[in-house]
Amino acid sequence: RKEVEQDPGPFNVPEGATVAFNCTYSNSASQSFFWYRQDCRKEPKLLMSVYSSGNEDGRFTAQLNRASQYISLLIRDSKLSDSATYLCVVNGRNNDMRFGAGTRLTVKP
Amino acid sequence: DAGITQSPRHKVTETGTPVTLRCHQTENHRYMYWYRQDPGHGLRLIHYSYGVKDTDKGEVSDGYSVSRSKTEDFLLTLESATSSQTSVYFCAISERGLAGASQETQYFGPGTRLLVL
Repeated sequence: RKEVEQDPGPFNVPEGATVAFNCTYSNSASQSFFWYRQDCRKEPKLLMSVYSSGNEDGRFTAQLNRASQYISLLIRDSKLSDSATYLCVVNGRNNDMRFGAGTRLTVKP
Repeated sequence: DAGITQSPRHKVTETGTPVTLRCHQTENHRYMYWYRQDPGHGLRLIHYSYGVKDTDKGEVSDGYSVSRSKTEDFLLTLESATSSQTSVYFCAISERGLAGASQETQYFGPGTRLLVL
């Protein structure tokens, strides 16, 4: 079983839609959680950290559920520019960062 | 954007030849990482460095070696390239390192696409 698992998608949504991604992780001792965004043929870039209390940044909301060992990302009012692959990142057993394979989102006009 | 460059950006080589990829940073960050990204696997850590001449193995280190003689440069070497090492290689840097509770952010370079024939 992979340490970090994501639904690969693709998620195809119209502009203005709300879309949610989940990510599950296997290391119950994990302390650091992130969502990164990766555009096609580009490097990953930090979208947001995920805190225990949940956090919001504009149209993006991240939640952490430690009991069920998953994190989520909610995108409201989707824009064309949100089309990308979203990577879930969790620190692993050796404290290195473990990346999910990513969820691909396409926002259509 | 973080000052990270990678060279070369693209490379085609033949099985059995040595290959060296370079990562250069201008941020003076202590930690540097090499990842590979393959479809269905996400990014996987190859090696990392926590200071000049201080390196350690990651999840997929077999067939790779690294060196860091200066803070700003981190080299990844494939001693004898194999087709299974065809991948996109990303370098990353961070200020504080792998401490799990620190919510450490990693900044990535633009990547190197390597094709081993």
